[in-house]
Amino acid sequence: GAVVSQHPSRVICKSGTSVKIECRSLDFQATTMFWYRQFPKQSLMLMATSNEGSKATYEQGVEKDKFLINHASLTLSTLTVTSAHPEDSSFYICSQAPSGSTDTQYFGPGTRLTVL
Amino acid sequence: LAKTTQPISMDSYEGQEVNITCSHNNIATNDYITWYQQFPSQGPRFIIQGYKTKVTNEVASLFIPADRKSSTLSLPRVSLSDTAVYYCLVGDGNSGNTPLVFGKGTRLSVIA
Repeated sequence: GAVVSQHPSRVICKSGTSVKIECRSLDFQATTMFWYRQFPKQSLMLMATSNEGSKATYEQGVEKDKFLINHASLTLSTLTVTSAHPEDSSFYICSQAPSGSTDTQYFGPGTRLTVL
Repeated sequence: LAKTTQPISMDSYEGQEVNITCSHNNIATNDYITWYQQFPSQGPRFIIQGYKTKVTNEVASLFIPADRKSSTLSLPRVSLSDTAVYYCLVGDGNSGNTPLVFGKGTRLSVIA
């Protein structure tokens, strides 16, 4: 299957700092990518849909000014958590599907963010 | 998007067949049924997808009755490494442009 990578896999930061998470498709191109957040013992919650070359679409309750998404190319989307606070500590996961195909979505390995 | 209902948890011994049933009473005509597996601190991994009747791959089988209001994921001869959370999703699943909506999933514990 297709490979999606995320970087970093784990990050610890101080409250008030910003953290950037990268999501890359290694062997295919994706017009659309999705960002999810998962708290301990809970299911994945969709945060936003990232479209290449245009603004991301955010789910209700997700602050677009806090979670900045950039999808500058068909193989890279970034999520920046600005002015992070302890309540932003979570597991962030991206998913992608090859453009123009009927293939299913492939998920990245996730990024564990801990805000002190 | 159709809502799904699964058992919260299941236990099984190694070597047994495990069947996890998912209810999706409001499934639409163009919806597919997709199952994902997730290990702790990892992203979900695609297991199997189907539209109707039966689908089988090297990992699992998916049984879908004629009314498509439910589906059953069958894992043959589970091992300890199959301990994970299994999610059933229903939606326009063959579209890479459609976000996946996750329910609570089923936490499977395989016991030696």
